[in-house]
Amino acid sequence: EVQLVESGGGLVQPGGSLRLSCAASGFTFTTSAMTWVRQAPGKGLEWVSAISGSGGGTYYADSVKGRFTISRDNSKNTLYLQMNSLKAEDTAVYYCAKDRGGYAGAGYWGRGTLVTVSS
Amino acid sequence: QSVLTQPPSVSGAPGQRVTISCTGASSNIGAGYDVHWYQQLPGTAPKFLISGNSNRPSGVPDRFSGSKSGTSASLAIIGLQAEDEADYYCQSYDSSLSGWVFGGGTKLTVL
Repeated sequence: EVQLVESGGGLVQPGGSLRLSCAASGFTFTTSAMTWVRQAPGKGLEWVSAISGSGGGTYYADSVKGRFTISRDNSKNTLYLQMNSLKAEDTAVYYCAKDRGGYAGAGYWGRGTLVTVSS
Repeated sequence: QSVLTQPPSVSGAPGQRVTISCTGASSNIGAGYDVHWYQQLPGTAPKFLISGNSNRPSGVPDRFSGSKSGTSASLAIIGLQAEDEADYYCQSYDSSLSGWVFGGGTKLTVL
């Protein structure tokens, strides 16, 4: 059974940093592209970032480019999202998702972790 | 403002049929990229509902179907049930943005 468990969310001040983690199990992590999607309170889904199975390819939404860094540790089956220079508009539930590859969408999602940026 | 356009809400009585539209552009749906649909029940994570325009992942009832034509796609639900009340999102890839794009979501109310 595929499982994705996010952690690392919390309350952070504007300008601060936070690192999210996503522990994966139930599938071959090393060959799976992974994605972060966020959802602001009461709003829709927004793609944030994606990474190839090897970690050699990384992709970002314009809204986070230069501030967020996606990475993975295939030896630990874990996906990360390093978030710097956080803004109030980054407040959201952050979901990690297993990318089906080839522009085929996200087949499995974690339950999400809430990030609140506020002073 | 979402790149893909969906109606904010739709409704229908139990047993009825409803459709949800998803309109894109020449850089996403019109460029040939597949459209996928997700169902988000209240307070839960999104669930993969339709893949590759019209394919149902294992476990998704055949009451749900998808289609795509030109720069638009649609999700149809027949035989509405109370448990179908949820938010529905379409998603594709945009070559201009080099990333995924989502619709703004449609809230389905079962009357």
